[in-house]
Order: sequence, then structure tokens, then C-alpha cells
Amino acid sequence: DVKVTQSSRYLVKRTGEKVFLECVQDMDHENMFWYRQDPGLGLRLIYFSYDVKMKEKGDIPEGYSVSREKKERFSLILESASTNQTSMYLCASSSGILYGYTFGSGTRLTVV
Amino acid sequence: AQTVTQSQPEMSVQEAETVTLSCTYDTSESNYYLFWYKQPPSRQMILVIRQEAYKQQNATENRFSVNFQKAAKSFSLKISDSQLGDTAMYFCAFMKHVWGAQKLVFGQGTRLTINP
Repeated sequence: DVKVTQSSRYLVKRTGEKVFLECVQDMDHENMFWYRQDPGLGLRLIYFSYDVKMKEKGDIPEGYSVSREKKERFSLILESASTNQTSMYLCASSSGILYGYTFGSGTRLTVV
Repeated sequence: AQTVTQSQPEMSVQEAETVTLSCTYDTSESNYYLFWYKQPPSRQMILVIRQEAYKQQNATENRFSVNFQKAAKSFSLKISDSQLGDTAMYFCAFMKHVWGAQKLVFGQGTRLTINP
């Protein structure tokens, strides 16, 4: 089975901290994605990457950056965490349009 | 820009009943894919069913089936003989090809509760 692993299930950080959310997939997928999930808003795309060192902004990139130095790892960075970034963060990977995405279990981030 | 709308924030039915979750979308593209994902309390998103827009036949997966109306841009999910394990958030999603990747656009979600 394809596995997408997010390093933390729950995370509490202070306002202004730099936060790293890590995501690793084990099936050599080219494409990786970061979404945030909020009640009533569904999942919104923050950033995605279709190759190593390649990244593209999604619909809500403000306040976030990403890094993809290796194919299997895609990191989401909150440069200076703010309370409005309290959310559930979901990482996903895909190998093609026919298969949809494989998701990680999510990281619930609370910024206090 | 593509948008996906799920107009039912919450639904609740009795076990063994049939339930239909609605989804509409807006796009100018002719070739695309539609998905339903399930997110149980474990938070793990699970692919329920997929529909290719160029196929007229509605997709089915065991107790799950869709009613795909391309002209109306409607993509509803029917769950037959509902089970307690079907309790979850359900997300409708539209996929398009962009910048070498396949980008999923999600609806707001419907929280489905199956009561014993």
C-alpha cells in the first residue's frame, strides 16, 4: 500500500514561532500537495510540487512556504506562526490522474 | 476557476437506509475527473469512488454509486444499505490538470451520521 506519513498528529506552537510540518511518501510519486482543512471550508490547497525542487502556489499560499529537496519528502513551513493558522493540515501525493490522491493522517496544529 | 459546492453540511439517517449526498461543480473544461472521498473520525481520507467526465455510465463501487449529470454539472453520491461504519465526513472533489500536476478542488464537505 502507498503510504503518506505526516510526522506529527498534534502540534501546539506559539505565535511567531517557525513551524515545520513534514510529509514523506514511499511510492516514488512525482506530485505532492499540502492542504489545510477548516470546518465549512473543506480542503484548500496551500502549495504543491510536481518534481524535486519544483513548487507552485495553490489557492492560499500566504504565510506559508514549502521545500522539496528529495522526491519522497515535502515540507510545509510556517515562517511566523499566527493564530489564524490553527487548522488541520493534510499532505497528499499522487502518481497520475486516474488514481486520485493518497493522503496522510493529518496534523492538527494549534497556534497559541 | 473551478468550484465545488456541497449544499448539505450535515445529514443523518438510520442504519440500512439509503442516503444521497449532493454535489455541484462549475467548470468550463470538457475533460475532467470527479471523486468522492470519505474522512472517518480517524482522519484518514479514503477514496470512495471516481468518475471520468467522458464516460456516460455512472460509476459504482459495491454499495456506493454516483449520479453524474454532466450538463447539469451535478455529481451526487448514493449510499445503499447504510452501515454504522459509513459515519464520516464526505468530500466531493474535482480534478484538473495543471502545471504537470493534477490538482484536486474540494467541496465544503457533508458530515454524515448513520444512527443504529
